[in-house]
Amino acid sequence: DAKTTQPPSMDCAEGRAANLPCNHSTISGNEYVYWYRQIHSQGPQYIIHGLKNNETNEMASLIITEDRKSSTLILPHATLRDTAVYYCIVRVANRDDKIIFGKGTRLHILP
Amino acid sequence: DGGITQSPKYLFRKEGQNVTLSCEQNLNHDAMYWYRQDPGQGLRLIYYSQIVNDFQKGDIAEGYSVSREKKESFPLTVTSAQKNPTAFYLCASLGRLQNEQFFGPGTRLTVL
Repeated sequence: DAKTTQPPSMDCAEGRAANLPCNHSTISGNEYVYWYRQIHSQGPQYIIHGLKNNETNEMASLIITEDRKSSTLILPHATLRDTAVYYCIVRVANRDDKIIFGKGTRLHILP
Repeated sequence: DGGITQSPKYLFRKEGQNVTLSCEQNLNHDAMYWYRQDPGQGLRLIYYSQIVNDFQKGDIAEGYSVSREKKESFPLTVTSAQKNPTAFYLCASLGRLQNEQFFGPGTRLTVL
């Protein structure tokens, strides 16, 4: 079973910041939080990952709470191309064992 | 270009027939994965392999079989024992020291 819970869907206006939450209350000390997104009928694409510090790259920012039980993916200026399903998963980095995805959040960007 | 290829993109089979889905990667990754996705649902893990000649069952392995004879290839066979085989199938790979799991474009299987 997935170790994360996410809202099934969210809406965001184009040009605004999209904030996607994820709960992972049973995360272990050596597990990282990863985010992927899946545009319709394509394979998922990696976005970002982090352990406990906030992370930022050219696609998004990741904010992890101090207790590490939840996190938020931030798309700073959402565009229509950001319409996708976003998956939050937890796993140990640099390990290639079982990787489980949950149901994700379907993000709708409204024009 | 390095990446993962899955073929074909669309596949149709009659009920009761076994069918094999191809997955090839040239990323030199040790681990490979098969997921199934149903409409409006998330990804469910079928099988994964961490090394050649070894593989483990995921959460929904019943009715499926795999082989890993070469590092580059991880074919998935959907057998007649799989009750609801119509779905979108995704293959992925992961390097041992990498963080990013790479996905193929997927194969949409329809059983008539």
